[in-house]
Amino acid sequence: AQTVTQSQPEMSVQEAETVTLSCTYDTSESDYYLFWYKQPPSRQMILVIRQEAYKQQNATENRFSVNFQKAAKSFSLKISDSQLGDAAMYFCAYRRGNTPLVFGKGTRLSVIA
Amino acid sequence: DAGVTQSPTHLIKTRGQQVTLRCSPKSGHDTVSWYQQALGQGPQFIFQYYEEEERQRGNFPDRFSGHQFPNYSSELNVNALLLGDSALYLCASSLGHVETQYFGPGTRLLVL
Repeated sequence: AQTVTQSQPEMSVQEAETVTLSCTYDTSESDYYLFWYKQPPSRQMILVIRQEAYKQQNATENRFSVNFQKAAKSFSLKISDSQLGDAAMYFCAYRRGNTPLVFGKGTRLSVIA
Repeated sequence: DAGVTQSPTHLIKTRGQQVTLRCSPKSGHDTVSWYQQALGQGPQFIFQYYEEEERQRGNFPDRFSGHQFPNYSSELNVNALLLGDSALYLCASSLGHVETQYFGPGTRLLVL
């Protein structure tokens, strides 16, 4: 079974600085999708960014970018120019084809003003 | 464009009772997946509905059942509630069962 590991239970960053959240996964498949979801205290899980494994180019969405290392099975999220509204739980997730999402345990990000 | 909605937002039940949670998918979406998120954990997949049928199921007992209606909305039913069923229940919708899932705000269930 596929597993997703987030080794940092908590992280903190100064406002306007950059932070990187780590994620590793285990799979024997070559074609799959990886996601980062954000869950603020309001509880709603919000899609931050998505990466297709067949694409070598790292996905970017405004201040959010990923470092996808397929051979190392690593998928880290970089948040640039951190804002107070970025404070939340961040979940890394894996999916292959039509199988359900498999989530990591999450990283709690605090942003210090 | 309406996003995924869920009702109720909070619910308190006692052991042995039954509960029904509801989900309306994002406009244009036809697939609904349900997840259980225990405190401090990532969401765990319960099941997925597509074309009014349960297409996939996670490792949850038969006490967890569901339904999808012709308008694509869905219900999650849990019978014989246990204390361990206390969790946040998330509904996610997608267009087809391979596309990106978008989540609703969740229903917080507390079983006493």
